[in-house]
Amino acid sequence: DAGVIQSPRHEVTEMGQEVTLRCKPISGHDYLFWYRQTMMRGLELLIYFNNNVPIDDSGMPEDRFSAKMPNASFSTLKIQPSEPRDSAVYFCASSGGRGLGQPQHFGDGTRLSIL
Amino acid sequence: QQPVQSPQAVILREGEDAVINCSSSKALYSVHWYRQKHGEAPIFLMILLKGGEQKGHDKISASFNEKKQQSSLYLTASQLSYSGTYFCGTERDDMRFGAGTRLTVKP
Repeated sequence: DAGVIQSPRHEVTEMGQEVTLRCKPISGHDYLFWYRQTMMRGLELLIYFNNNVPIDDSGMPEDRFSAKMPNASFSTLKIQPSEPRDSAVYFCASSGGRGLGQPQHFGDGTRLSIL
Repeated sequence: QQPVQSPQAVILREGEDAVINCSSSKALYSVHWYRQKHGEAPIFLMILLKGGEQKGHDKISASFNEKKQQSSLYLTASQLSYSGTYFCGTERDDMRFGAGTRLTVKP
């Protein structure tokens, strides 16, 4: 079975540009999570969805960040405008449930560099 | 609130044992353990549900003390392939990951 698929794998762009990260969860998984990983702050939960509905976005750092899940097989994380401090690895993960002993399956991540 | 992991780093020789601890200040639904190698995604190891259970996977096992909200990951007879950063994830209202424990196994 295909795992969580993220694109692009790498993104280098200039400050002020809009950045869109994409994620395709594992088929049948009804939870989708977006994480950001940096050396300083570790692995941070940004937002998660259940059945395409955002449940908790308290981890989204600023209004410049937004996430959508228009259907069960696709989600986007957008940063507009981007800033150098947004440079990080962004992971998407999906699971078949929460609080039910369901593991999270991570994508390979998007390494984002804002110049 | 982020769980607290200890130690931050550990260096082992092949065949030695290690214990990684994870504690939370809040009551938890479950504790997850993941391993991440440099430049790769975190990989799921095991999950422990509230109820104070213990699980094993080859030479890697874990326990969850629900009363203390603490979990420990036990790596016995370590192998070179065990090297990486280990994260605990605590699940309550959301998922929070610890800062990680960098494990290095040397020949």
